[in-house]
Amino acid sequence: EDQVTQSPEALRLQEGESSSLNCSYTVSGLRGLFWYRQDPGKGPEFLFTLYSAGEEKEKERLKATLTKKESFLHITAPKPEDSATYLCAVQSFSSGSARQLTFGSGTQLTVLP
Amino acid sequence: DAGVIQSPRHEVTEMGQEVTLRCKPISGHNSLFWYRQTMMRGLELLIYFNNNVPIDDSGMPEDRFSAKMPNASFSTLKIQPSEPRDSAVYFCASSLGEGWGGNQPQHFGDGTRLSIL
Repeated sequence: EDQVTQSPEALRLQEGESSSLNCSYTVSGLRGLFWYRQDPGKGPEFLFTLYSAGEEKEKERLKATLTKKESFLHITAPKPEDSATYLCAVQSFSSGSARQLTFGSGTQLTVLP
Repeated sequence: DAGVIQSPRHEVTEMGQEVTLRCKPISGHNSLFWYRQTMMRGLELLIYFNNNVPIDDSGMPEDRFSAKMPNASFSTLKIQPSEPRDSAVYFCASSLGEGWGGNQPQHFGDGTRLSIL
């Protein structure tokens, strides 16, 4: 069974204070790892897909990296508008449905001005 | 571009009533997913359609839940009869598939917040 664990559960940063969010996963064959951002009252918004260890993707102040056991979402010089819950999800070859995503419980990020 | 559209945004009803949630996927997407999100269990996949055909409904909690996709631009999730423990936010998502097992990202609607009294 695929498992995804995100840490920390919550993170408070001062504006400009860089940090990283962690997503540890256990799958039998990774098809893809996805990062989403979710704002209150909204659906998850797609950020990145990573497919293989060593891959990196960047978008503005966000950079996602992938190893064989975990992924990191690095936030450089965050701004208050980066405050949201960040969700990690995996898609594996072993899931009952080939497109099924298993989500972590998320990291709630608050960036203070 | 229009994203995934869900209706209603909020639904409050009494236990025992029938509830119907609606979803319009992104045009051209051939995979559609229904999820439920709660504080306790996070995001859980309920059912997945590919080319309007239900592929995996193993996440549907019980026979009170049913889902249909009569055409490529519309899907419904029905709960009958509803119970207080069904209270949650229900999300619909769609993706562009490349045959079985495509790993294109899923794009989510803004959900329906369902409260069963």
